[in-house]
Amino acid sequence: DGGITQSPKYLFRKEGQNVTLSCEQNLNHDAMYWYRQDPGQGLRLIYYSQIVNDFQKGDIAEGYSVSREKKESFPLTVTSAQKNPTAFYLCASRGVAGGKNEQFFGPGTRLTVL
Amino acid sequence: GQQVMQIPQYQHVQEGEDFTTYCNSSTTLSNIQWYKQRPGGHPVFLIQLVKSGEVKKQKRLTFQFGEAKKNSSLHITATQTTDVGTYFCAFLSNDYKLSFGAGTTVTVRA
Repeated sequence: DGGITQSPKYLFRKEGQNVTLSCEQNLNHDAMYWYRQDPGQGLRLIYYSQIVNDFQKGDIAEGYSVSREKKESFPLTVTSAQKNPTAFYLCASRGVAGGKNEQFFGPGTRLTVL
Repeated sequence: GQQVMQIPQYQHVQEGEDFTTYCNSSTTLSNIQWYKQRPGGHPVFLIQLVKSGEVKKQKRLTFQFGEAKKNSSLHITATQTTDVGTYFCAFLSNDYKLSFGAGTTVTVRA
């Protein structure tokens, strides 16, 4: 069953701790994305990667870091430098070949920092 | 940079009625995509429009891309409770960033 998995679904952390959110896809997509969604708001781009070992900052990258060591994995670390980390985090991937631009989203991780 | 504005932010609809939500840009867009996010869920791709004046239909949903490629609309006829959710428009820029509007949240009165 192809798709994107994010784990865990709910995550609680104490203030000042770094936390890493997992994102795995088996769609063989080159491009992967991380978004943040706050209640009642749209999606804001944190980081994205077009290819393995390369990634770019999105609109709100401060306080976050990523890595792209494997095509199928794009973990996001929320560092203690992120001032308001409590949010819904969504990972997505997009196939580049064939001109398809549809983004497929994972189920998301709800992070609460206490 | 480029961005899209969606109106209205909230749409309360009587079941069976029609409604339209709009997505506007101050600059010309090369494409527009629409996504639907059910409450508690994740966004799901609905459609992509790339041509000036393009109109596409999916059952009760009609999507349109303006002639100047600066606006788009989503029209839903005979609204059902299954239409509840937030509808986002988005565009893919040349650097492959997908930028989203703030969304229109739809509630339905039975």
